[in-house]
Amino acid sequence: IAGITQAPTSQILAAGRRMTLRCTQDMRHNAMYWYRQDLGLGLRLIHYSNTAGTTGKGEVPDGYSVSRANTDDFPLTLASAVPSQTSVYFCASSDEQGGDNEQFFGPGTRLTVL
Amino acid sequence: GENVEQHPSTLSVQEGDSAVIKCTYSDSASNYFPWYKQELGKGPQLIIDIRSNVGEKKDQRIAVTLNKTAKHFSLHITETQPEDSAVYFCAASKNSWGKLQFGAGTQVVVTP
Repeated sequence: IAGITQAPTSQILAAGRRMTLRCTQDMRHNAMYWYRQDLGLGLRLIHYSNTAGTTGKGEVPDGYSVSRANTDDFPLTLASAVPSQTSVYFCASSDEQGGDNEQFFGPGTRLTVL
Repeated sequence: GENVEQHPSTLSVQEGDSAVIKCTYSDSASNYFPWYKQELGKGPQLIIDIRSNVGEKKDQRIAVTLNKTAKHFSLHITETQPEDSAVYFCAASKNSWGKLQFGAGTQVVVTP
């Protein structure tokens, strides 16, 4: 593994189903983020975690939950998917403790909810 | 909260010409302004950033300028090349721990 990986690459999901998007980083970054990208809206923060064991809500948290059991993994769960959650989801990480704001992004997961 | 507006939404330039993308922000406490480039099918990648104690920063063909009084910052790409074609995002942060507020993005197309 190098950098940030996300799985799956893409997924088509029936409305009402539960789905977990996976994110793993191998850079030992303390902070991790989940964004959704929609045309004309840019990247909007869903949830974040600035260290293992803590999480916080971003700009658009409703319908999503996260956990941060360890430094490397930051899964995003849709408990009951709805069509408005159709989007491209990006996970990112940064080394905040090192004083560097640069966020490193994964390749994204394209999710379609029907 | 912070609001970042980005213009234009699309920009078409001839190879060799310059491209300029402008962003405005609303929160005067913001002090960190990065620019990300997103190529098709990939995640965004940082290309340059500027902090509020600096008015201009340059890295080869790209430069960023910041006007704190007017609360706007711009990305300048000179001598554009086809590989500059991508979506560019500006962002702003209060630098507390890294939460970024992104603009809506600019699709840049460089035509040969």
